[in-house]
Amino acid sequence: ETGVTQTPRHLVMGMTNKKSLKCEQHLGHNAMYWYKQSAKKPLELMFVYNFKEQTENNSVPSRFSPECPNSSHLFLHLHTLQPEDSALYLCASSQGSGGQTIYEQYFGPGTRLTVT
Amino acid sequence: GQNIDQPTEMTATEGAIVQINCTYQTSGFNGLFWYQQHAGEAPTFLSYNVLDGLEEKGRFSSFLSRSKGYSYLLLKELQMKDSASYLCAVADNYGQNFVFGPGTRLSVLP
Repeated sequence: ETGVTQTPRHLVMGMTNKKSLKCEQHLGHNAMYWYKQSAKKPLELMFVYNFKEQTENNSVPSRFSPECPNSSHLFLHLHTLQPEDSALYLCASSQGSGGQTIYEQYFGPGTRLTVT
Repeated sequence: GQNIDQPTEMTATEGAIVQINCTYQTSGFNGLFWYQQHAGEAPTFLSYNVLDGLEEKGRFSSFLSRSKGYSYLLLKELQMKDSASYLCAVADNYGQNFVFGPGTRLSVLP
């Protein structure tokens, strides 16, 4: 496996379900990100992890819960979602985050989530 | 507040040159990125500008004017495979937060 992988690629869940999205990066990067991409809206940054520590949370509702057990893996735990949470969820990684040097991000293919 | 503007759609002809503009008003600035996103695929990195001026990379160039809050992406010798959305994104002062524009959908016609 190379680059950034995400599973599952598609997910349909009811509002009372609990599910998790998984992201793995094989690039040796230290920073990982979760983004939400909705139709006709800009890409929205949700969470940033740098060396496994959460450094940014952009006022995301608590029904989204991130977990970063190590620099290569990132999870997004979902529970009691709403239909408006249906979107493409993209994971990304970069060499680092913060500081004087800003690095480009490498994105995974995304998980298409539908909440019914 | 954070605001990034880009044209929604653009159309150009194969072999031509197209310029995609991006204007931004953000609370901090630590560089501007351009990404390309084909339909149904992940965004891929194109360019990064942190100082004023032009950065050239093959057929793609990107320009930045920090005083004007303005950037553009220039695509030369357009090819059909350049049909995609082009996303402009600004990194904040600490490089932790990235604000994306709405994207410009470019259609390249034969």
